[in-house]
Amino acid sequence: EAQVTQNPRYLITVTGKKLTVTCSQNMNHEYMSWYRQDPGLGLRQIYYSMNVEVTDKGDVPEGYKVSRKEKRNFPLILESPSPNQTSLYFCASNRSGQEAFFGQGTRLTVV
Amino acid sequence: GENVEQHPSTLSVQEGDSAVIKCTYSDSASNYFPWYKQELGKGPQLIIDIRSNVGEKKDQRIAVTLNKTAKHFSLHITETQPEDSAVYFCAASIPDYKLSFGAGTTVTVRA
Repeated sequence: EAQVTQNPRYLITVTGKKLTVTCSQNMNHEYMSWYRQDPGLGLRQIYYSMNVEVTDKGDVPEGYKVSRKEKRNFPLILESPSPNQTSLYFCASNRSGQEAFFGQGTRLTVV
Repeated sequence: GENVEQHPSTLSVQEGDSAVIKCTYSDSASNYFPWYKQELGKGPQLIIDIRSNVGEKKDQRIAVTLNKTAKHFSLHITETQPEDSAVYFCAASIPDYKLSFGAGTTVTVRA
């Protein structure tokens, strides 16, 4: 089954404690992206990757890092989380100019 | 970059009536316009998409129209049903570039 898998689904952490949200896709897609979803603001892109070792900033990259060492994986790293990073996060993958497939989401709370 | 505006932010319709959501985009180079539906607790899923060489596309009760000159596109849902209640996102994509999303429309279908 074609899918994008994110882990964990829910996470509560404390300010400053580094965390990683994993994302994996099994469709051999070149493009992968991370979004955050906040009420009234829609889906805002954090980072995206056009292929292995190629990443670029999206609209709201501050406070986040990503890596793309393998085609299927695209982890999101918060080196020092802060409360304003409390949000619902989605990973997505797609082929160029094609439908994006989204993961189930990760609800992060930073206290 | 691309800027997508979506209206209205909320929409309440009587079951059986039609629902229309409108989006505008800023970059005339955009050529791919997908619509996503997000149900509670899930990631967005593609429901219909249209490319810039097509003016209208229909899939059962859902249709999308595109006006390239005016740079706007719309989603039409006819004969709405309770299961159509969800958040809907429009998006636009420049070739070989990222998807830019609208802020979303929360649709409520009243029984």
